[in-house]
Parts: sequence; structure tokens; C-alpha cells
Amino acid sequence: EADIYQTPRYLVIGTGKKITLECSQTMGHDKMYWYQQDPGMELHLIHYSYGVNSTEKGDLSSESTVSRIRTEHFPLTLESARPSHTSQYLCASSEFGTGTGELFFGEGSRLTVL
Amino acid sequence: GESVGLHLPTLSVQEGDNSIINCAYSNSASDYFIWYKQESGKGPQFIIDIRSNMDKRQGQRVTVLLNKTVKHLSLQIAATQPGDSAVYFCAENIRGGSYIPTFGRGTSLIVHP
Repeated sequence: EADIYQTPRYLVIGTGKKITLECSQTMGHDKMYWYQQDPGMELHLIHYSYGVNSTEKGDLSSESTVSRIRTEHFPLTLESARPSHTSQYLCASSEFGTGTGELFFGEGSRLTVL
Repeated sequence: GESVGLHLPTLSVQEGDNSIINCAYSNSASDYFIWYKQESGKGPQFIIDIRSNMDKRQGQRVTVLLNKTVKHLSLQIAATQPGDSAVYFCAENIRGGSYIPTFGRGTSLIVHP
């Protein structure tokens, strides 16, 4: 069973608000990822990290930012939310190096911006 | 918000039938492949994996086939059940390094009772 947790699970906010989606894992994984997924659609990689102090942008441009100050924590922040940010955000982690690369996903954070 | 990309292809089957879900991958250097199942409202979960030195691997009711010549994977589900209804993604990876796994587009499987 994966030990990766996302909060909040559901969030409804107004335009212009700053929000942070939390993601924590207790598996000691170095690699962490954020994906954006609309219902019935593909997974789009928006950010990833190889470890502490490492952050990279993914394939899909995003107005969000991430930080990786601790191995277990990879929060995603939107400085000023807009309706176009309405989506599901999935956090994942995997081992670095000799690991198989299997990703362990959280349950997701579903964001609605009014 | 406005959706990005295309809607996923859909496979509809009757309960008890066998299902075959296909996936094409792009990187010839990929040496490890995973199938994930994503149920509604949840994150994807591991189903079965296969290494590039194999062409077939079986699990409980699921079989993955790998054809490296044409860079193609398939997931076969035997005696499909309503609980198998979900979106299925394949992912390719290069083990042991900094490669970021790449996900296929996904297929939505609908099982009719």
C-alpha cells in the first residue's frame, strides 16, 4: 500500500486566491511528480523533482510553482487561481537509481476555481 | 476549466468477455513497462509490469504482452468484471537513472453487466 498523501482532497475557491496543494510521502522516495488531469483525459506532467532542492518543469506549461525543501514534502502553489486552473492534481513519487521506477500516486486534489 | 488534449479512447465489453487494451510507446531505450489502473476519483495504481527482456508476463486474470520490434504493449484482462471498469495507462521507463517515466494516453474500459 502506497504511503503518499494529498490534501485537500477537494477545494473550491474564488478567483485570485493563493492556494497550496500539499503532498507528502513516507517511503523515502527521491523522485516526486505533479500531474494535472481533467476528467476522462490524459495525465499531464507539470512539475517533478529528483530530490531536495531540485525542481523541474514538466511537459505541460503551468502557472503553478513547487518547492522541495524536505524529501518527504512536495507542495504545489498557485499564486492567483483562475477558472482555467480547475482540474484534478495528482502527486506521485518513485525511487531513484536502482528502483524500477514504479510511481506511487496519491488520491488527488480536485480544485474548482469560481 | 478548459480541458487540454483529446478525450481517451473507450473500450466497451460485456461482463465475462476478455478485454485487450493496447499501448504504443516511443523510446527504444525503455527497458521497463508498467500498466496502471485508475478508478474514478482516485490516483492510478500499479497492476502489472514487464521488463524488456521478456515478451509476456501473467498475473491474476491479467497478461501483458510486449513487442519491442513495433514498440507495442498490450494488457489482456480475462473474464472482465464490472470492477475492472476504469482508465488504464501504460508507462515506459529506463531503470536506474534520472529518466522520467512517460505515460501513454490511456484507455477507458467500460464493463457492462
